[in-house]
Amino acid sequence: QVQLVQSGAEVKKPGASVKVSCKASGYTFTDFAIHWVRQAPGQGLEWMGWINPGNGHTKNSQKFQGRVTITTDTSASTAYMELSSLISEDTAVYYCAREIVYSGSYYVGYWGRGTLVTVSS
Amino acid sequence: EIVLTQSPATLSLSPGERATLSCRASQSVRSSLAWYQQKPGQTPRLLIYDASNRATGIPARFSGSGSGTDFTLTISSLEPEDFAVYYCHQRSNWPDTFGGGTKVEIK
Repeated sequence: QVQLVQSGAEVKKPGASVKVSCKASGYTFTDFAIHWVRQAPGQGLEWMGWINPGNGHTKNSQKFQGRVTITTDTSASTAYMELSSLISEDTAVYYCAREIVYSGSYYVGYWGRGTLVTVSS
Repeated sequence: EIVLTQSPATLSLSPGERATLSCRASQSVRSSLAWYQQKPGQTPRLLIYDASNRATGIPARFSGSGSGTDFTLTISSLEPEDFAVYYCHQRSNWPDTFGGGTKVEIK
């Protein structure tokens, strides 16, 4: 079965960077895109970006103004999301999620359990 | 970017009642819209894709409709496990965006 196992919780100081990992199993890693979505405490879902592990193509939300870098290590079936220049508003649970295909349409269907990133001085 | 506006923010209903949730897009997303359910402490679950198709394993009491800019998620008769937050998500235009959510709570 599809599993996405994320790295553990992080506490970072403002201005630092954080790198969250997402190890995939149960399918061919290069066959489906991985998305990153975050959720601030008590708030809604916010899409950050995605990567196609098959070719490395990636697209991020401009909202993060170049602070987000999404990469993969296909040999390890792992995706990474790095967020730099952290501010307190970046405190959130960060989810990786895999696409699912229905009738040729691609949606986010499988989710990791999330990684809590706390930004605090 | 496309803004998805969900209404109402909170819906207070009793089990057995019908729930009607709205998602309005700032520009057309054709039918490239999904609905997710999220319960406290859980990850989102895909309910509806392409505006009106139920994902695998989703009960028939959930239905979606709409295209272009106006979409509706209907729960025909609320079960106790349906009280949760619901999000719409568009995949028509980059960047992907989510609506702000509608909380369906027990009246």
